[in-house]
Amino acid sequence: DAMVIQNPRYQVTQFGKPVTLSCSQTLNHNVMYWYQQKSSQAPKLLFHYYDKDFNNEADTPDNFQSRRPNTSFCFLDIRSPGLGDAAMYLCATSILSRDEETQYFGPGTRLLVL
Amino acid sequence: DQQVKQNSPSLSVQEGRISILNCDYTNSMFDYFLWYKKYPAEGPTFLISISSIKDKNEDGRFTVFLNKSAKHLSLHIVPSQPGDSAVYFCAAGISSNTGKLIFGQGTTLQVKP
Repeated sequence: DAMVIQNPRYQVTQFGKPVTLSCSQTLNHNVMYWYQQKSSQAPKLLFHYYDKDFNNEADTPDNFQSRRPNTSFCFLDIRSPGLGDAAMYLCATSILSRDEETQYFGPGTRLLVL
Repeated sequence: DQQVKQNSPSLSVQEGRISILNCDYTNSMFDYFLWYKKYPAEGPTFLISISSIKDKNEDGRFTVFLNKSAKHLSLHIVPSQPGDSAVYFCAAGISSNTGKLIFGQGTTLQVKP
């Protein structure tokens, strides 16, 4: 089945230790998104790639970076995680055509910062 | 400034009855809206959407109503089933805006057997 896969599902890191979260998709969608969701809050868009074009949200901290080496993969790098970065990180994809703007989500990676 | 709001954090209904989840928005530029369902430890799953050119969209037990003048949408689930118990997020977007969605905070629905 075509899908969005996130690895790992749970990630524990230490304060200040760089961490990378991974997302892959078999949907061949041209847009990939990273969201941060904290408990009982709305998912918050961090950035997205439209093909190879990177689009950062204005309020995304510099601590968060992303890479998209090819259509299928997208990575979220947190350079120096703080306690406030503990959250669920959701990857989503979209084909973004005139008739289709639905985003399809992966299962998420829950990040714990010690 | 929260552009999409779900003012009810939780809702409890009896199996077989109707569940109505509400969502309000402030940005009149939004022209499409989606509802997502999320189980614990899983990512949001797309449920149903509606374009601003419509005021109703139906898919099986799920119907979304859009009232543009009130900037309000609602999701009706009839009849509700215990498996519908989950967190429901509404989301809004602007066409041709790279697909960016603004999400509400979610409403936790509990359907009691």
